[in-house]
Amino acid sequence: DGGITQSPKYLFRKEGQNVTLSCEQNLNHDAMYWYRQDPEQGLRLIYYSQIVNDFQKGDIAEGYSVSREKKESFPLTVTSAQKNPTAFYLCASSIWARVNTEAFFGQGTRLTVV
Amino acid sequence: AQSVTQLDSQVPVFEEAPVELRCNYSSSVSVYLFWYVQYPNQGLQLLLKYLSGSTLVKGINGFEAEFNKSQTSFHLRKPSVHISDTAEYFCAVSLSGNTPLVFGKGTRLSVIA
Repeated sequence: DGGITQSPKYLFRKEGQNVTLSCEQNLNHDAMYWYRQDPEQGLRLIYYSQIVNDFQKGDIAEGYSVSREKKESFPLTVTSAQKNPTAFYLCASSIWARVNTEAFFGQGTRLTVV
Repeated sequence: AQSVTQLDSQVPVFEEAPVELRCNYSSSVSVYLFWYVQYPNQGLQLLLKYLSGSTLVKGINGFEAEFNKSQTSFHLRKPSVHISDTAEYFCAVSLSGNTPLVFGKGTRLSVIA
């Protein structure tokens, strides 16, 4: 089955710790994205990547870091510099084409700071 | 930069009644438009998309949307809702070319038996 796998589904972090959220896709998509979802705020773009070894900041990149060493993988690290990391994180992927197509989403990771 | 406004944060509706979820976008260039649905604690699933062509777009689960360029709107409609349609719905826009989707803040549809 082709799709996007995010892990873990639930993650708890102590204040001051870095945590890494995993995102893997087997759709052979070029582009991958990380969004953060908060109640009443919708989805906001953190980072995105069009090709391997390249990525761009989104609207709320501060306190986050990413890497894209393989086409299939786009892990997100939430660093201690992120002041309010409790949220639902969604990874997505799409074909990167002139005529846009839709993004496909994973099932999300809920991060809670304890 | 483009933006998306979903005019209603919550829409309660009785089962088997029609529903319209409103979406307006702002962009000075051509755009691609999408509606996604999200069930609790899950990812987003595409309902329908407008890329070009006919302004009336039909999607899954009996939903449809109409692209209105003059009013910069892309409202989602369903003639008769079911309990299972209870979910959050997101409108999204992307510019022509290779840019990430920009989402509205979502509309929570609650279907009442």
